[in-house]
Amino acid sequence: AQSVAQPEDQVNVAEGNPLTVKCTYSVSGNPYLFWYVQYPNRGLQFLLKYITGDNLVKGSYGFEAEFNKSQTSFHLKKPSALVSDSALYFCAVRDKEAAGNKLTFGGGTRVLVKP
Amino acid sequence: NAGVMQNPRHLVRRRGQEARLRCSPMKGHSHVYWYRQLPEEGLKFMVYLQKENIIDESGMPKERFSAEFPKEGPSILRIQQVVRGDSAAYFCASSPSGQRYNEQFFGPGTRLTVL
Repeated sequence: AQSVAQPEDQVNVAEGNPLTVKCTYSVSGNPYLFWYVQYPNRGLQFLLKYITGDNLVKGSYGFEAEFNKSQTSFHLKKPSALVSDSALYFCAVRDKEAAGNKLTFGGGTRVLVKP
Repeated sequence: NAGVMQNPRHLVRRRGQEARLRCSPMKGHSHVYWYRQLPEEGLKFMVYLQKENIIDESGMPKERFSAEFPKEGPSILRIQQVVRGDSAAYFCASSPSGQRYNEQFFGPGTRLTVL
């Protein structure tokens, strides 16, 4: 079984300040981890993924995420948030050893960046 | 290269009618996935298809829901005898074969409203 938890429903941050969106996961084997962003009435846009290799993954729009196996976490970060980063962010996991390619999503975290 | 296409973008049905949702994957992608998003929730996996085959339907409700991905044409998610609880956003994603198999690209979604 695979699951994802995003403990914060909403994160508020001032423009220019660092942004962190938390994600923890649970899988039986090794994880593939993903972050997606959703703007109102739009589909999901891919931000970044961890498959293997370096624990620090850099993605689109200045976002990065750090894979921490001991803490089973994959927190999303941005050093300096923009108002345009305000959106709904989803973390997703797939068990590497599981058959198929099913993604399990967290419940989402709404980010509000204030000017 | 056009992204994942879904139509219609909005669909209104009365209880008991049928809903047909269409998804055209990205060019060159042979893997299609359907997810459902209820209001203020994350995406829930429904079904994974390859051309003419259902690979994983573990997330599909047992009754009224079916999916296909024919050799020619788009993938279809079909909901028979819709009920109000079927109101949701339905997202399709596609992925290529090979090294980028794990990367799913999402369409803009179809928002189904059941009156």
